Amino acid sequence: EIVLTQSPATLSLSPGERATLSCRASQSVSSYLAWYQQKPGQAPRLLIYDASNRATGIPARFSGSGSGTDFTLTIDSLEPEDFAVYYCQQRSSWPPLTFGGGTKVEIK
Amino acid sequence: EVQLVESGGGLVQPGGSLRLSCEASRFTISNFYMSWVRQAPGKGPEWVSIIYSSGRTYYTDSVKGRFTISRDNSKNTLYLEMNSLRVEDTAVYYCARGSFFNGVSYPAWFDPWGQGTLVTVSS
Repeated sequence: EIVLTQSPATLSLSPGERATLSCRASQSVSSYLAWYQQKPGQAPRLLIYDASNRATGIPARFSGSGSGTDFTLTIDSLEPEDFAVYYCQQRSSWPPLTFGGGTKVEIK
Repeated sequence: EVQLVESGGGLVQPGGSLRLSCEASRFTISNFYMSWVRQAPGKGPEWVSIIYSSGRTYYTDSVKGRFTISRDNSKNTLYLEMNSLRVEDTAVYYCARGSFFNGVSYPAWFDPWGQGTLVTVSS
């Protein structure tokens, strides 16, 4: 089973700042990595798939990069609605599909 | 708008059973890969099971032999039959559709998700 480790656990930033979130896989997942955003009381929402492709309707301030074992989600100029928990997920080797433990982006 | 609505969650004793339903709107579930994903309180999501458009199914190891994913095409509804429930099965259970972008199907990228239904296993 591929383990995804996200860091940091919490990121404290102000609106307008850039957020950089990391996801590291226990073995190579090629580019088969996605990012999700989850707000309290809501289901996760797909942001990025195949490491760098934005899902439908996702603003351009969200971007993904990386391949192999190291991936980054960048949020340029945080908007108030971007403060949430973010999860990465891999589909390289499954079952099982696996998720990371999450990074909470909170208002500083 | 594509929509998924789960139901059937509740409080059940260890060893008990429950059947979750997920009714889909504005798309045909038999044409898509459909999954169940759960999330324990304060934890990250955990994939549980998937059913292909062909009917093939897969499960995470911890639920194999206890959970069964199925669908009723006439009702456009996905199900998760859960038996021999354990305390550690306590979670919000979401149904989720495999995504479809630019004419390409991605069975294992989940979009959209339902709102979830809470399953609590406790004595």
